[in-house]
Amino acid sequence: GIQVEQSPPDLILQEGANSTLRCNFSDSVNNLQWFHQNPWGQLINLFYIPSGTKQNGRLSATTVATERYSLLYISSSQTTDSGVYFCAVGGRETSGSRLTFGEGTQLTVNP
Amino acid sequence: NAGVMQNPRHLVRRRGQEARLRCSPMKGHSHVYWYRQLPEEGLKFMVYLQKENIIDESGMPKERFSAEFPKEGPSILRIQQVVRGDSAAYFCASSPQLGAAEAFFGQGTRLTVV
Repeated sequence: GIQVEQSPPDLILQEGANSTLRCNFSDSVNNLQWFHQNPWGQLINLFYIPSGTKQNGRLSATTVATERYSLLYISSSQTTDSGVYFCAVGGRETSGSRLTFGEGTQLTVNP
Repeated sequence: NAGVMQNPRHLVRRRGQEARLRCSPMKGHSHVYWYRQLPEEGLKFMVYLQKENIIDESGMPKERFSAEFPKEGPSILRIQQVVRGDSAAYFCASSPQLGAAEAFFGQGTRLTVV
């Protein structure tokens, strides 16, 4: 099946810093989502972005499907951005909206 | 996403008991997916259901686990004769259509087997 690799595995920032999280995948995709899992375990949808670029406030994401990667940008980070960021993809061979998750990037933003 | 409702939020079971986890999809969604998250790991797909049909159960353990999505009512993930290794967070997601679409997740059920 499709493989998903996220980097870096851990990231520690000072409040106000910018960061870039990367997601590489091993095959063509027709579905790609970024999630934030907060310290309470809740999964929050950030972007549905199988291709192209989207922005939502301080967050933006870009997927270059032909090169099999996606990037999540966080600008002016805040302590509330802490948590785990997951990239999840659906390959062309998978059923429906079934997703394969990466192992996540653990982000800690210090005040 | 608040639209996908899972209950209970926390469930404690003794070894050998049965666990029943419930999921009501977002309004207008007829596709449900179950995932399991072990401590310090990412989410792993278990099963994909539409109303009254199991579409893909390739991630479901062959024994003790079953899932259903009846015509009326929520989707149920059932774990029989639970063991300590079943302790995990179980998430349900729903999507609105056949084919790839944005999936929305519930808040999860945290199962602890003692």
